[in-house]
Amino acid sequence: DAKTTQPPSMDCAEGRAANLPCNHSTISGNEYVYWYRQIHSQGPQYIIHGLKNNETNEMASLIITEDRKSSTLILPHATLRDTAVYYCIVRVENQGGKLIFGQGTELSVKP
Amino acid sequence: GAVVSQHPSRVICKSGTSVKIECRSLDFQATTMFWYRQFPKQSLMLMATSNEGSKATYEQGVEKDKFLINHASLTLSTLTVTSAHPEDSSFYICSAGGTGHSPLHFGNGTRLTVT
Repeated sequence: DAKTTQPPSMDCAEGRAANLPCNHSTISGNEYVYWYRQIHSQGPQYIIHGLKNNETNEMASLIITEDRKSSTLILPHATLRDTAVYYCIVRVENQGGKLIFGQGTELSVKP
Repeated sequence: GAVVSQHPSRVICKSGTSVKIECRSLDFQATTMFWYRQFPKQSLMLMATSNEGSKATYEQGVEKDKFLINHASLTLSTLTVTSAHPEDSSFYICSAGGTGHSPLHFGNGTRLTVT
């Protein structure tokens, strides 16, 4: 079972920041949080991952709370092409590195 | 960056026939690959873990005799849907990479339609 919960859908205005929350209250000490997104009829695209420090790359920022029970993915300036389903995944240490997907958040970026 | 290639991207087959889907890691070696299935409006469901040189590990409820997995080299895993039925119509996606804490990368999926 997925160890994360996300809101099923969110809207964001084009050009504004999109903040996508994720709860992972049962996360264990060495388990990383990964974010992927899936645009319709394509394979998931890796965005970012982290353990406990905040992370930033060219696509997004990841903010992880100090207790690691939740995180937020931030797309700083959302564009229409960011419309997708976003998945927050806790990668389980002792299961060979596989990713178990939850239901994700369907983000709609509107003009 | 790491690239995972899947082939074919679409396939239509008749009920009762078998279909093979290939997953290749193009610029890295993958001792482990993962196969997922996705039905419309649903999330990805992990089917099995493909292990190079050994038997695949199937998730609960996935029929290993129906979904044959072969991982004969460090860059290629294949999924064969045997005796396909219309209910096997789905989007099949593979992933590879991710040693240590580096991310898994996904292929672009194969849309299977069984008529």
